[in-house]
Amino acid sequence: AQSVTQPDIHITVSEGASLELRCNYSYGATPYLFWYVQSPGQGLQLLLKYFSGDTLVQGIKGFEAEFKRSQSSFNLRKPSVHWSDAAEYFCAVALQAGTALIFGKGTTLSVSS
Amino acid sequence: GAGVSQSPSNKVTEKGKDVELRCDPISGHTALYWYRQSLGQGLEFLIYFQGNSAPDKSGLPSDRFSAERTGGSVSTLTIQRTQQEDSAVYLCASSSTVRTDTQYFGPGTRLTVL
Repeated sequence: AQSVTQPDIHITVSEGASLELRCNYSYGATPYLFWYVQSPGQGLQLLLKYFSGDTLVQGIKGFEAEFKRSQSSFNLRKPSVHWSDAAEYFCAVALQAGTALIFGKGTTLSVSS
Repeated sequence: GAGVSQSPSNKVTEKGKDVELRCDPISGHTALYWYRQSLGQGLEFLIYFQGNSAPDKSGLPSDRFSAERTGGSVSTLTIQRTQQEDSAVYLCASSSTVRTDTQYFGPGTRLTVL
């Protein structure tokens, strides 16, 4: 069965430090890939998405992600974390355009001062 | 423009009662999705509607769950004979086209079954 794995349940990063959140998927073909962020009490906000083309995609709030086919990964990065980035981050895949999203379990990011 | 809206924002009910949750998608969006977010199971797909096609109900956990979409716009998720394990946040999302598009999520309805 298709699955999305986010190996890190909780990560703490110092403000100003770099961040990388990991995401691996299990699927025979290249799915549509997404990263969403959820702040406490808020809905899910799309950070970025990858469908095809350039494997390094830029998103909102200074985030980027790199698709690596050989590793079935789509890791999220940010060069310098701000305290406001503290939230839960979800990686998701869609097997075909417009179909349901399959989510990872999420990674909670804490930012220390 | 307005995003996806959901009502109520919070719902507390007693075990065995029926509940209805409402979702208003972004105007013009043809696809509508329901998901459930719970501590134990994470984010799970429930059902989705695409235009006039038959809905994909493959994620509904039991026959107590059903959903309708009237006039291609507003959707109602109904849970009959609620159980404590139904307690979760129910999220609705919409998207504008089938191909290469993005789902926009509403704020969710927090359901608590006592």
